[in-house]
Amino acid sequence: DAGITQSPRHKVTETGTPVTLRCHQTENHRYMYWYRQDPGHGLRLIHYSYGVKDTDKGEVSDGYSVSRSKTEDFLLTLESATSSQTSVYFCAISDRAETQYFGPGTRLLVL
Amino acid sequence: KQEVTQIPAALSVPEGENLVLNCSFTDSAIYNLQWFRQDPGKGLTSLLLIQSSQREQTSGRLNASLDKSSGRSTLYIAASQPGDSATYLCAVRSWSGNTPLVFGKGTRLSVIA
Repeated sequence: DAGITQSPRHKVTETGTPVTLRCHQTENHRYMYWYRQDPGHGLRLIHYSYGVKDTDKGEVSDGYSVSRSKTEDFLLTLESATSSQTSVYFCAISDRAETQYFGPGTRLLVL
Repeated sequence: KQEVTQIPAALSVPEGENLVLNCSFTDSAIYNLQWFRQDPGKGLTSLLLIQSSQREQTSGRLNASLDKSSGRSTLYIAASQPGDSATYLCAVRSWSGNTPLVFGKGTRLSVIA
């Protein structure tokens, strides 16, 4: 398995609070991605990174920001969490346009 | 905009049956296509990657085919087992190569012993 970890794995927070999810890889892959997965919507891309400090928006980026200061870490921040951001969040990595590997996911509940 | 569709959304088969999962995409200018498996409450596991120049890829009891001109891929599972029960997703990457994968919503497979 590709070396991808996500932290925390589970989180419960309140509406209006900031939340940061971390993705860490040990594969030295250039590309990193954040997705959310919801029933009926499947996997939707939030943001992705194609290098240190290089990021771009995905399909559902509103309310989310990201940062990548090191190759191995990609942070997803919910500036002010809302109930609609309750979801399972997955990080993924890939080397150029080849096989994409996923992390174990973070379950976020916003009350 | 690329769209990926997987039909049916759910499928139930008896153990031992050979089965085919379908994936269709609207833009045939793809770089590659990837099949994933997702078990309940888990992340996605990559099963097979097919490059646009390839027609099929095989791994054990799994065989994935690609027909770019018709915008279709199939995942063939031979001699299905209860352990194959999972959701199977396909995803395509557009020809520019550096674009993110676009996912279908998956087919939920149940193999009944």
